[in-house]
Amino acid sequence: NAGVTQTPKFRVLKTGQSMTLLCAQDMNHEYMYWYRQDPGMGLRLIHYSVGEGTTAKGEVPDGYNVSRLKKQNFLLGLESAAPSQTSVYFCAIRGDTQYFGPGTRLTVL
Amino acid sequence: GIQVEQSPPDLILQEGANSTLRCNFSDSVNNLQWFHQNPWGQLINLFYIPSGTKQNGRLSATTVATERYSLLYISSSQTTDSGVYFCAVGPINDMRFGAGTRLTVKP
Repeated sequence: NAGVTQTPKFRVLKTGQSMTLLCAQDMNHEYMYWYRQDPGMGLRLIHYSVGEGTTAKGEVPDGYNVSRLKKQNFLLGLESAAPSQTSVYFCAIRGDTQYFGPGTRLTVL
Repeated sequence: GIQVEQSPPDLILQEGANSTLRCNFSDSVNNLQWFHQNPWGQLINLFYIPSGTKQNGRLSATTVATERYSLLYISSSQTTDSGVYFCAVGPINDMRFGAGTRLTVKP
């Protein structure tokens, strides 16, 4: 998907566990985004970054942290997973348009 | 934030039919995009169209910013058009997505 990859593709967590989702791009774009998609809904922005070392909150940031230590990578962390965080997570980059990664399906039991 | 409503929520067509999807939004915007999510979950940008009309093959889109709506037209639909169509509006770093229109095209 235009050089945007997400790791892992699937994950099952127990409540209280932590994990990190990785988004990697090979297009050298400054802007990167993390969204979540819940059933029957559109995407909601969690956090975004306008460049290496910068991050900002989106519409639904609570319970998540992010880091952009390298330009090509944008990490999304869940410190203490909750069932409400069961969702499909999409990473996106912005060039002339937005390019989305394939998604990570996360289930929190 | 901006409210985005899409209609209809579901649409079933026979292959070859035409369709119109609508997106209403609550505030003036300088960014509006249409996306297609295929049955495998992949999201593809279709149009960046804050105003005016654009066409790409069998798809075209029109946004009337002063009246706060956008329309996506699909002509001669094909089974590969199936999926969910989303519009998203607002500042580029705070886009709000509608709930989508789920399109099913039957052979």
